[in-house]
Parts: sequence; C-alpha cells; structure tokens
Amino acid sequence: DARVTQTPRDKVTEMGQEVTMRCQPILGHNTVFWYRQTMMQGLELLAYFRNRAPLDDSGMPKDRFSAEMPDATLATLKIQPSEPRDSAVYFCASGFSGNTEAFFGQGTRLTVV
Amino acid sequence: QQPVQSPQAVILREGEDAVINCSSSKALYSVHWYRQKHGEAPVFLMILLKGGEQKGHDKISASFNEKKQQSSLYLTASQLSYSGTYFCGTSGGGADGLTFGKGTHLIIQP
Repeated sequence: DARVTQTPRDKVTEMGQEVTMRCQPILGHNTVFWYRQTMMQGLELLAYFRNRAPLDDSGMPKDRFSAEMPDATLATLKIQPSEPRDSAVYFCASGFSGNTEAFFGQGTRLTVV
Repeated sequence: QQPVQSPQAVILREGEDAVINCSSSKALYSVHWYRQKHGEAPVFLMILLKGGEQKGHDKISASFNEKKQQSSLYLTASQLSYSGTYFCGTSGGGADGLTFGKGTHLIIQP
C-alpha cells in the first residue's frame, strides 16, 4: 500500500532549536509539496519540488526555513532557529506533475515552546 | 490569493444534501477538492480542469464555472462518513502547488 511517510509524527522543541522534518514520497512520484496547516491560516503551500528541483518556495520564510531533496526518496524541511509561531502541522504530499491528485502524509505536529 | 469558501460550517441530518462553494478573485486553471477528517491528512476527492466541467463519484460531484471563477461541491443524500472539513485548492496554471481555501466544516448527524 503506497503512502507518503513523514517523520517525526510529533515534535516538541524549545524556541531557538533546529528542527528537521523528513518525508519519503511515494515511489515514482516526481512532485513533492510541503504544506503547513494552522487554525488561523489553514493549509499554506510552503514549497514544492519537481524532479528534485525546487520550483517554488515563495511561501517559506527564507531566513529560517529551508527545503531540500537530497535524493528522490527523501525530502527535508528544516527550521533554524525555530520560533513559537512555527507551531503547526506540516504536511508533505507527493504526486505526478501536471495537475493530478496529491497524496498527503500523516503530517508532523510541531510545537515550539 | 486564497479562494473563498462558503459556508464556513454546515450541520446536516443523514440523507440531506449539501453544497459547498469556492470562488476566486483571479483566473483559475484548475480546482481541486479534498476532505480532511479530524487529526488526519487531507484526502483527494476530485479535480476539475475545464470550464463547465462536472465530475462526480458515488454521491459527491462538483462543477467548475471558469467564467465566474467558481466551483461547487455537491454532496447528495449525505452519509455519516461524509463528515469532515472540505477544502478547495486552486492553481493559476503552469504551477502544481495549490492555494487552499480555509475549509468548510461539515457535520452529519444521524
């Protein structure tokens, strides 16, 4: 049963610490998305990759967030330094390019205290 | 620009119908509909790519009025399993990433 896998599922960290979230997309998918979900803002697109190349990261605070795809089986989202306002559920999703359905992982619930 | 969904919330009895609307202030290339249950990931429902296109499966269908930059999701004879938050996501063309509306909370009561 193919699925997007995200780790960790939950993360509690102190303000100022570095946080790394990982995502394993579904094998064969060439597009990977990072979304953030909060009560206030809803689901926001942070960045996405096509064939491992970053295509759009305009939704990310550039000074503290970075997203990479070291290889086709791993996408990472890093926050350094973390702040309480970064507390949210971060979803990774994968799919094929060209307006097709995206499959979401179970998310990483991040709490920054 | 985030699409606007209406209503924000709706409570129905099992078997009743519901319509959820999604409108955008900018030209739409496609509209995607997802459903999310509490504590779970969003799950894909359908994509509409052409103006006037209507799609559906089971008792959930959708329409896309490209001219009015609007889409509507129709839930017919709702079932308890339809409860959740429904999101529309839009793209402006050429890009795969979606801009989602704030969601419509749907509660189905027995």
